[in-house]
Amino acid sequence: DTGVSQDPRHKITKRGQNVTFRCDPISEHNRLYWYRQTLGQGPEFLTYFQNEAQLEKSRLLSDRFSAERPKGSFSTLEIQRTEQGDSAMYLCASSPGLAGVVTGELFFGEGSRLTVL
Amino acid sequence: GQQVMQIPQYQHVQEGEDFTTYCNSSTTLSNIQWYKQRPGGHPVFLIQLVKSGEVKKQKRLTFQFGEAKKNSSLHITATQTTDVGTYFCAGRGLYNFNKFYFGSGTKLNVKP
Repeated sequence: DTGVSQDPRHKITKRGQNVTFRCDPISEHNRLYWYRQTLGQGPEFLTYFQNEAQLEKSRLLSDRFSAERPKGSFSTLEIQRTEQGDSAMYLCASSPGLAGVVTGELFFGEGSRLTVL
Repeated sequence: GQQVMQIPQYQHVQEGEDFTTYCNSSTTLSNIQWYKQRPGGHPVFLIQLVKSGEVKKQKRLTFQFGEAKKNSSLHITATQTTDVGTYFCAGRGLYNFNKFYFGSGTKLNVKP
């Protein structure tokens, strides 16, 4: 399968614990996005990478959230000191991202569902 | 900040009836994309519209981008049970190509 893969698919944790999600994008895609989706809502932008550089981060993202993309390949999203309000589906998407061209559909992974008790 | 609103939130139709969902942005968009998310699934890309007034068709689906590039619609003719899911529009701003602003989606249910 050459699609976007995310791990784990489901995570249940207690409030205050740290969690980390991993995303492996489609190999030739240089753009990688993290979105958060809650029930009945559309995906909400969290952060964006072009290769290994994190170019944008949502102002809604608290400092408990951090994302990395070492070497411009896979990415990790870590949430420290989780709160019940962090419960959501965390979606990763990648895009071929041609520079200077208004294009680039998003290829989403299956998501990592987080439940904070 | 930029917002993308989508209506209706839910739509229940009888199989064979038509369906339309509307997307409105608070600011002018550079382009707009549409995605479909099946129950329990992830968003899957349907189409991208770039030009003012653009109309594109995919079989029974017709997509339109407004003249002012601030609104868009998706129309499905003669719905089928396979059309069930949530349809999202996602707009990209004029000056920030880095992110898409997703609407809240329209959940379509088709009764056989």
